[in-house]
Amino acid sequence: DGGITQSPKYLFRKEGQNVTLSCEQNLNHDAMYWYRQDPGQGLRLIYYSQIVNDFQKGDIAEGYSVSREKKESFPLTVTSAQKNPTAFYLCASSLRPGPGYGYTFGSGTRLTVV
Amino acid sequence: GQQLNQSPQSMFIQEGEDVSMNCTSSSIFNTWLWYKQDPGEGPVLLIALYKAGELTSNGRLTAQFGITRKDSFLNISASIPSDVGIYFCAGQPVWDNNDMRFGAGTRLTVKP
Repeated sequence: DGGITQSPKYLFRKEGQNVTLSCEQNLNHDAMYWYRQDPGQGLRLIYYSQIVNDFQKGDIAEGYSVSREKKESFPLTVTSAQKNPTAFYLCASSLRPGPGYGYTFGSGTRLTVV
Repeated sequence: GQQLNQSPQSMFIQEGEDVSMNCTSSSIFNTWLWYKQDPGEGPVLLIALYKAGELTSNGRLTAQFGITRKDSFLNISASIPSDVGIYFCAGQPVWDNNDMRFGAGTRLTVKP
């Protein structure tokens, strides 16, 4: 079955450490996205990628970095520069960027900074 | 960036009751989508709307794309306990086809 897989499900990080969240899809989707979810707020876009080797900053990119070396993979690194990294992180993909293409979401990674 | 205004924030209803929630924006949207999120999981697409005035059903769920293209609503009829979760609206604005904006969600609790 095709889908989008995020790992790990739960992640604990010490302050000052970088951490990388994995996102893999086998849907042959061109576009991939990273969102951050905080309680009582809508999803906020961190980064997105429309094609391999290209990505764009979203609304809250500061303190995060991404890469898109393969179509299937879009890892997110939460750096020590991110002031408040504790959140639920969601990866999504769509067949194409643009209107009319709904997003398929992964099951999320809950990051806690201790 | 501009987010969507979704209401109500939360609802507590009795099993069997109907539910209505809506999403509004000050700007025009090309596409409206409704997602449901279970605790600790990613959102799952329920209904997608692509034309102003469009009314689409998915089982007990019905959603409409507002005629002004600035709003959408979702109705759930005869609610059941498994309807519990957070419902999000999302839309793609006309000024950026590559953008998707989300509402803050409506948290639904269904009492048996």
